[in-house]
Amino acid sequence: ETAVFQTPNYHVTQVGNEVSFNCKQTLGHDTMYWYKQDSKKLLKIMFSYNNKQLIVNETVPRRFSPQSSDKAHLNLRIKSVEPEDSAVYLCASSYEQYFGPGTRLTVL
Amino acid sequence: GEQVEQRPPHLSVREGDSAVIICTYTDPNSYYFFWYKQEPGAGLQLLMKVFSSTEINEGQGFTVLLNKKDKQLSLNLTAAHPGDSAVYFCAVNNYAQGLTFGLGTRVSVFP
Repeated sequence: ETAVFQTPNYHVTQVGNEVSFNCKQTLGHDTMYWYKQDSKKLLKIMFSYNNKQLIVNETVPRRFSPQSSDKAHLNLRIKSVEPEDSAVYLCASSYEQYFGPGTRLTVL
Repeated sequence: GEQVEQRPPHLSVREGDSAVIICTYTDPNSYYFFWYKQEPGAGLQLLMKVFSSTEINEGQGFTVLLNKKDKQLSLNLTAAHPGDSAVYFCAVNNYAQGLTFGLGTRVSVFP
């Protein structure tokens, strides 16, 4: 049963635009994460967020920022997308890592 | 930080045979370990999570062994079938840092 929801499934945009991806978990967990999976299937942690404490992977460009309204939601905003941002973005919940289905971003 | 080495990167398996994927990690404080399966165009499917040391865990068609002494996690696919063709990832969690993934193993099962 799906408990981590991501929208949209796909997004195509042009260089320089701003995009925002949503993630919601219904499991009551305190910690949520964003991961990036590139075209070579390489998966890397971007952010973790726990009780308003944000831990950022130092390799993540500043144009990326997480946004949380409550512990059930952690959205991902990209201020000005670049071609190398094309990837699948995966949201997860809890230290036990329940994953959402991902959002595939294509930057033209 | 944590580093995870996964091998082999590719695996061709005859249907009915077994196959082993091995991950070696570096941080002795890591304590959550995961195996995921990813089929083409799909998300990550959790196969198994392991929290204990030197434990054998059996799933449907596979066995997972965690050896914390050697900092090694393995996935053994038993009696492979075409539905096992996918990319498999190991992952290690050291508390609030999130998962560190291996680079993945692409498994192809042929008749």
